[in-house]
Amino acid sequence: AAGVIQSPRHLIKEKRETATLKCYPIPRHDTVYWYQQGPGQDPQFLISFYEKMQSDKGSIPDRFSAQQFSDYHSELNMSSLELGDSALYFCASSLAGSGIGELFFGEGSRLTVL
Amino acid sequence: RKEVEQDPGPFNVPEGATVAFNCTYSNSASQSFFWYRQDCRKEPKLLMSVYSSGNEDGRFTAQLNRASQYISLLIRDSKLSDSATYLCVVNAGGGADGLTFGKGTHLIIQP
Repeated sequence: AAGVIQSPRHLIKEKRETATLKCYPIPRHDTVYWYQQGPGQDPQFLISFYEKMQSDKGSIPDRFSAQQFSDYHSELNMSSLELGDSALYFCASSLAGSGIGELFFGEGSRLTVL
Repeated sequence: RKEVEQDPGPFNVPEGATVAFNCTYSNSASQSFFWYRQDCRKEPKLLMSVYSSGNEDGRFTAQLNRASQYISLLIRDSKLSDSATYLCVVNAGGGADGLTFGKGTHLIIQP
């Protein structure tokens, strides 16, 4: 079965650069979530989209933005990168009707900021 | 105080033993509860939802105690492949922002 696809899997950037992460949800899933997980930390919710509209916003820095496109894929744009942005970024998708909590995660994009 | 708390462990358990760990939550209005499993440097994967009546899936049993505001996960006949971090997830409502992950309990099954 198709899973959530994230790209790139690994990304190395310098401070103050920009980065874009992509997420392709499971087909027919209508909700996409972005999470940030630092080393030894729990996943922190950044932002979510339902049917291409932003539905909820968590602890996403103002330097970050995200959107969901007509084909349901989503992109997380990160600008003015800081050392503290180094983390594993997960995208997850779900069917809204399944209730919030049953998420299917992608394998993550590991961002390293030097 | 964090909304969702777990003993980080590690829990070192011999293969074949039974192990249980709890997760406490602070918001009494929390609506739904889940256990996720996360292997090192991998994505979290849904292990099971936790229902009010408790639920069992093979060697895994999850319980909810609303009065004391905790959920539990019991693993019977533990296997080496059960070694992972188990994340407690609580939905306090209000959308995706109301979904809170615990920091996880690290379980190591030893041969």
